[in-house]
Amino acid sequence: GENVEQHPSTLSVQEGDSAVIKCTYSDSASNYFPWYKQELGKRPQLIIDIRSNVGEKKDQRIAVTLNKTAKHFSLHITETQPEDSAVYFCAASFTGNQFYFGTGTSLTVIP
Amino acid sequence: SAVISQKPSRDICQRGTSLTIQCQVDSQVTMMFWYRQQPGQSLTLIATANQGSEATYESGFVIDKFPISRPNLTFSTLTVSNMSPEDSSIYLCSVPKQGTETQYFGPGTRLLVL
Repeated sequence: GENVEQHPSTLSVQEGDSAVIKCTYSDSASNYFPWYKQELGKRPQLIIDIRSNVGEKKDQRIAVTLNKTAKHFSLHITETQPEDSAVYFCAASFTGNQFYFGTGTSLTVIP
Repeated sequence: SAVISQKPSRDICQRGTSLTIQCQVDSQVTMMFWYRQQPGQSLTLIATANQGSEATYESGFVIDKFPISRPNLTFSTLTVSNMSPEDSSIYLCSVPKQGTETQYFGPGTRLLVL
């Protein structure tokens, strides 16, 4: 089955700086890569996603890049704000079937 | 987005007992997924529940421990059987967004087994 690795496990940045979270996947058949944000005690919420036919996608301060050859995708958050503090999960799936999640990154934005 | 509810939202149970968790969606969906999130951990897929057929379980999860029902296209249940403290987790259902690969998660059921 699919194996998704995520780094780093924890990340602290100063407010206004950028944050980058990286994931790798093992199954070359995976073609959909969502990112979820989970605040304490709440359900995971989709923040951005990318499909394998696209190399980069941006939504305001959030961007995701995908390197299919290397089986690697990354989340970039610019101009971080304290409300960005949460746990972020990457995931990989094939045609939207079951998701396989990374181990999560706990992001802390220091005011 | 789909409106997903789960019952109960939380429970404290004694070891050896069973708990059935319900997931209700406000629209018809072909597939529903059940995940487990152990304290401080990531989400692990337990099984995929399809209406009209048996659930498909991931490696490490078996039907005897986690029986699933899917009586219609808007509802599913997950039972955690013969519970032990190691079953203390958050259990979440998820459903695909219609016409997309995106999945929405329910609010979760927080289970503590003593």
